[in-house]
Amino acid sequence: DQQVKQNSPSLSVQEGRISILNCDYTNSMFDYFLWYKKYPAEGPTFLISISSIKDKNEDGRFTVFLNKSAKHLSLHIVPSQPGDSAVYFCAASAPQGAQKLVFGQGTRLTINP
Amino acid sequence: DAGITQSPRHKVTETGTPVTLRCHQTENHRYMYWYRQDPGHGLRLIHYSYGVKDTDKGEVSDGYSVSRSKTEDFLLTLESATSSQTSVYFCALASGDTQYFGPGTRLTVL
Repeated sequence: DQQVKQNSPSLSVQEGRISILNCDYTNSMFDYFLWYKKYPAEGPTFLISISSIKDKNEDGRFTVFLNKSAKHLSLHIVPSQPGDSAVYFCAASAPQGAQKLVFGQGTRLTINP
Repeated sequence: DAGITQSPRHKVTETGTPVTLRCHQTENHRYMYWYRQDPGHGLRLIHYSYGVKDTDKGEVSDGYSVSRSKTEDFLLTLESATSSQTSVYFCALASGDTQYFGPGTRLTVL
């Protein structure tokens, strides 16, 4: 039972354009969502997060949108840069005290010059 | 940088041998976690700890045990390694609502 799904294993975008990564979840108890970026041979690094009381959070080139009714979130990267090429994971947590995260399978983003 | 280190970074072992992976933090965070990453599965929680000697199971805990005898160290043990435990293992800690990850240990079980 995959509670968090990233249905696109890979995405290719031209440098300077917008990258949109999508994530769907099934558990309505999730109230906090995060995006992580991962380079090969490194640990995931935290990128941006959003609480369920918001529908948008922005940090520089990165914006996360949350649609609670559709149980869908997306990460927008504008403009995309070559250094953004990485695997992106979305994750979700429920208010259960241990801050456990449930991760999606990841999307490999490639930015082409 | 959340001050997390993992050791070893790479290990090759044989089926049936015990293996212990170490996660060390330089700060005083209460919550620590062990995940494994496999293609097509993202990261899956193995065990987590919410304090010294306080641990609980995650999604894929079978074949793994953990110990936390002091705040800064969280150990993951494979009692008898199997080929299905070949994976990349990540330790994480929680700071507020966010988890921060170590660099990972690549484990190969032959």
